[in-house]
Amino acid sequence: KNEVEQSPQNLTAQEGEFITINCSYSVGISALHWLQQHPGGGIVSLFMLSSGKKKHGRLIATINIQEKHSSLHITASHPRDSAVYICAVAYSGGGADGLTFGKGTHLIIQP
Amino acid sequence: DTGVSQDPRHKITKRGQNVTFRCDPISEHNRLYWYRQTLGQGPEFLTYFQNEAQLEKSRLLSDRFSAERPKGSFSTLEIQRTEQGDSAMYLCASSMGLLNEQYFGPGTRLTVT
Repeated sequence: KNEVEQSPQNLTAQEGEFITINCSYSVGISALHWLQQHPGGGIVSLFMLSSGKKKHGRLIATINIQEKHSSLHITASHPRDSAVYICAVAYSGGGADGLTFGKGTHLIIQP
Repeated sequence: DTGVSQDPRHKITKRGQNVTFRCDPISEHNRLYWYRQTLGQGPEFLTYFQNEAQLEKSRLLSDRFSAERPKGSFSTLEIQRTEQGDSAMYLCASSMGLLNEQYFGPGTRLTVT
């Protein structure tokens, strides 16, 4: 079964801390997405990557294709970063072209 | 363009009734996806369209579910004879091609009583 595993499931940190959320997957992918979901349901795409590293503001996403692993980092975390962060992959080699999602990491940044 | 829109945002219905949701994608996007998300879980893929063609359906999509994208623009998702287990957030997303970012709508929250 193609699965996407995220860790940790829940994370509470203090404002200013460096945050790391991990994602691992089981088979080859064509792309990996990091998404942010706020209470109320809206999902925002943060990154889509297939290799290497991307940076946007205080957010950094990395992927290691050989190890089938990706990380999302948040530097200088802020309470407004509190949200659920979801990793999703598009598997290569046929099958559903829709994304397969992890269960999400619920992040709370306390002031 | 204001992004992906979905209508209605909330729907409460009684078990056994039919419901229909609408998704308007970003206008130039040729791919449109439907996902379902239950409380505390990540979204699950239901189906997707490339232009007006429905190219993939998940095993989650029972015979009571049908989706259309008649002119390759907006899409509808209909659930017939709703069951309590259909209660979920139904999300729509669109993209330009396979290996491009997906843009999500705000979702339609369905409650079946």
